[in-house]
Parts: sequence; structure tokens; C-alpha cells
Amino acid sequence: NAGVTQTPKFRILKIGQSMTLQCTQDMNHNYMYWYRQDPGMGLKLIYYSVGAGITDKGEVPNGYNVSRSTTEDFPLRLELAAPSQTSVYFCASRLQVSYNEQFFGPGTRLTVL
Amino acid sequence: AQRVTQPEKLLSVFKGAPVELKCNYSYSGSPELFWYVQYSRQRLQLLLRHISRESIKGFTADLNKGETSFHLKKPFAQEEDSAMYYCALSVGNQGGKLIFGQGTELSVKP
Repeated sequence: NAGVTQTPKFRILKIGQSMTLQCTQDMNHNYMYWYRQDPGMGLKLIYYSVGAGITDKGEVPNGYNVSRSTTEDFPLRLELAAPSQTSVYFCASRLQVSYNEQFFGPGTRLTVL
Repeated sequence: AQRVTQPEKLLSVFKGAPVELKCNYSYSGSPELFWYVQYSRQRLQLLLRHISRESIKGFTADLNKGETSFHLKKPFAQEEDSAMYYCALSVGNQGGKLIFGQGTELSVKP
């Protein structure tokens, strides 16, 4: 199992550009999450999904969109990149079981200039 | 409000010394608490969860509901323990999302 994979690893965007961060998991987990981590801060939830076709906002959803058409994939879309979106983005997944751990991807480091 | 606080950004100890990484939480429900660790150039991974009451890599953490704390302890630190440690609270009614503390960097010197 590859676990949770994310692409790209690094990206530099210009203000106003758009991009999609890809996230795939091969563990058949129903729950998936997108977090962002700003320097010196903990991770904050952007969006989450409890299954294919179901998504919901987290703490910091503004400027982002998600979709969940399959169990495996949970892409994060930035429509109009802003410098405030410079961050490290982590995707995670888990089974719908209490106290169950979340498995994290390696992260995508995004810089918006 | 749901919140996790790790008061120390950096904790530096010598090898063999005891370690305690502090974590306090604020949550009105029954908490599910975790410690995650990120070693250099590796992804974030679970270290331990309060419900298991187990020792992982010599680390233990006890949930103290009276003090709303979940401190991580190890009696004798090793150099390979150097990493970023995050305390996290799982909010069950929001897809089991995790609320993270700011993290504590543990540096174990030889």
C-alpha cells in the first residue's frame, strides 16, 4: 500500500492563478481531510469528506473548493491564489471508527507570489 | 470553544534526561486525544492515543480530565526522539476532524 499520496510536492504560483492539489489513498478509507499548516502553527482543517459525494467545510475553507467523486481521490482546488494561501497542505484519511488514527500524506509546499 | 494548547515551541534536553511535553485542551464533550509526531523528512504519524493507555517508544501520556491535560512523558530521552510533536483533539461530530496544537519541537542533545 502506498497509503496517502499527494502531488505536487512543491509549487510556486502567481497571484490570481489556479491549481489543484491532488490527494489519493489506497486504504479504502471513507473519511478524508485537507489541512493547511502555516509557519509555527498547528494544522487547520480546510475541508473534509465522509464519503464519495459528501464534503463539508472545516475551519478555514475560504478560497478553496473540493470534490469527492471516488473513495480514493479528494482533490483541493485553489481558484484565485493569494499570498495568504502560502502554506504547507496535508491530506489525510481514516476509517470511520472512533479513536482511529488519521494517516497523512507527505504534504505539498505552496508559495504564492 | 475547542482548543489545544502546547505552551512550549521548543524543548531542548540532554540524552538520558526526562522529557515532558505539555498539552492542555478545551472541549465540552468527552475528548479523544492523540499525540502525533513528525520526524525530519518524514510524514506526520500517530505516536499514541489516550484510549490505548499504551507506551510507544517509551512515551506515555495520561489524560487528566480535571486539569484538561494530556502531557507526553518519557523518562530517558534518546537522540532519535528529536522531532516535532503535536497534540490533537478529535471532534467526533465533525467528521472526526483533528484540532491541533501549535506543536513542540523536541531537541535531544548528545
